[in-house]
Amino acid sequence: GIQVEQSPPDLILQEGANSTLRCNFSDSVNNLQWFHQNPWGQLINLFYIPSGTKQNGRLSATTVATERYSLLYISSSQTTDSGVYFCAVDISSNTGKLIFGQGTTLQVKP
Amino acid sequence: EPEVTQTPSHQVTQMGQEVILRCVPISNHLYFYWYRQILGQKVEFLVSFYNNEISEKSEIFDDQFSVERPDGSNFTLKIRSTKLEDSAMYFCASSILPGQPNNEQFFGPGTRLTVL
Repeated sequence: GIQVEQSPPDLILQEGANSTLRCNFSDSVNNLQWFHQNPWGQLINLFYIPSGTKQNGRLSATTVATERYSLLYISSSQTTDSGVYFCAVDISSNTGKLIFGQGTTLQVKP
Repeated sequence: EPEVTQTPSHQVTQMGQEVILRCVPISNHLYFYWYRQILGQKVEFLVSFYNNEISEKSEIFDDQFSVERPDGSNFTLKIRSTKLEDSAMYFCASSILPGQPNNEQFFGPGTRLTVL
């Protein structure tokens, strides 16, 4: 089946620093989403980005579907950015099943 | 803004008992999903549901699990006889229709199930 690999697995930043999280996938996808899991366990939608580039405040994401990767950029990080970031992909247009990566655990220190 | 809701937020049960987890998907969405996340692990797909029937299920979704849309708004996951290894966070999600433009999946806040 499709493999979804995220890197790095763990990341520690000082507040104000920038970071790039990567998601590689092994097959063509119809959908790609980025989520932030907060300390309460909730999955917060960040981006729906099967291709192209999107920006939302300090966050932006780029998916290069032909090369099978997506990047999530966090600029001027804040302590509230801490948590786990998941990439998830859908390879089927019939059911929309999302396959999640293992996540990147981000800790932003004050 | 419309959102997916789930109840209860936390359920504690004894091994062997039946549990029903409830979800209210976003009202104009047609596809519904259940996922689970064992503590410290990634989120795993359980089942997708469309037009009152299961469209796809994973190997995890064995005969102990069932899903139902009992009315026009609720979507439920039943575990018939819980095991210790069923302890996890269970997420409900919904989307408009796979394959359509802007078919983003939205997740509920989750139900944390603890089996003792």
